[in-house]
Amino acid sequence: AQSVAQPEDQVNVAEGNPLTVKCTYSVSGNPYLFWYVQYPNRGLQFLLKYITGDNLVKGSYGFEAEFNKSQTSFHLKKPSALVSDSALYFCAVREWTGGSYIPTFGRGTSLIVHP
Amino acid sequence: GAGVSQSPSNKVTEKGKDVELRCDPISGHTALYWYRQSLGQGLEFLIYFQGNSAPDKSGLPSDRFSAERTGGSVSTLTIQRTQQEDSAVYLCASSSAGATDTQYFGPGTRLTVL
Repeated sequence: AQSVAQPEDQVNVAEGNPLTVKCTYSVSGNPYLFWYVQYPNRGLQFLLKYITGDNLVKGSYGFEAEFNKSQTSFHLKKPSALVSDSALYFCAVREWTGGSYIPTFGRGTSLIVHP
Repeated sequence: GAGVSQSPSNKVTEKGKDVELRCDPISGHTALYWYRQSLGQGLEFLIYFQGNSAPDKSGLPSDRFSAERTGGSVSTLTIQRTQQEDSAVYLCASSSAGATDTQYFGPGTRLTVL
């Protein structure tokens, strides 16, 4: 069965510093990996995804993520954090399971960027 | 174009009452998902519709929960005899059919059971 873990409930970073939000996964086949962001009282918004190809994926708002197969990780990164990046971030993994494509989401990581 | 919409945005009900939550997916999206998000928890999968196939109901927590999707478009999630533990934000998402396709989420319905 597929699973995903976000080991940090909260990440604190100062504005202008680089940020990393961690995600590890477990699948039996090839993973399809996604990052979403949720701002207060809003639904989830897509940031980026890894399907195949280049391990470094670039997405919206200057975010990027690196797929590492050996470490089964897909950490979200940004070179310079903004206060407006403060939000809840979800990692999700997806694989074919018996005829349906149901993704599994992590518990979410709250990112707080301090001015 | 229009995104996924959900109604109502907020619903307050009394314990034991039935509620209906509505989701309008993006036009042309054949896949539709319902999730529940409780405070401090991740997204809990509830049910998945794909085209005309039988829905995957494996995530429904009890038989008080049901959902239907009419005409391959609008979906309604029904919770019968609501309990306080049903209080949560209910999110709907839609996507194209493939496993690599992005899910697009609605703003959610915040359900409060008194």
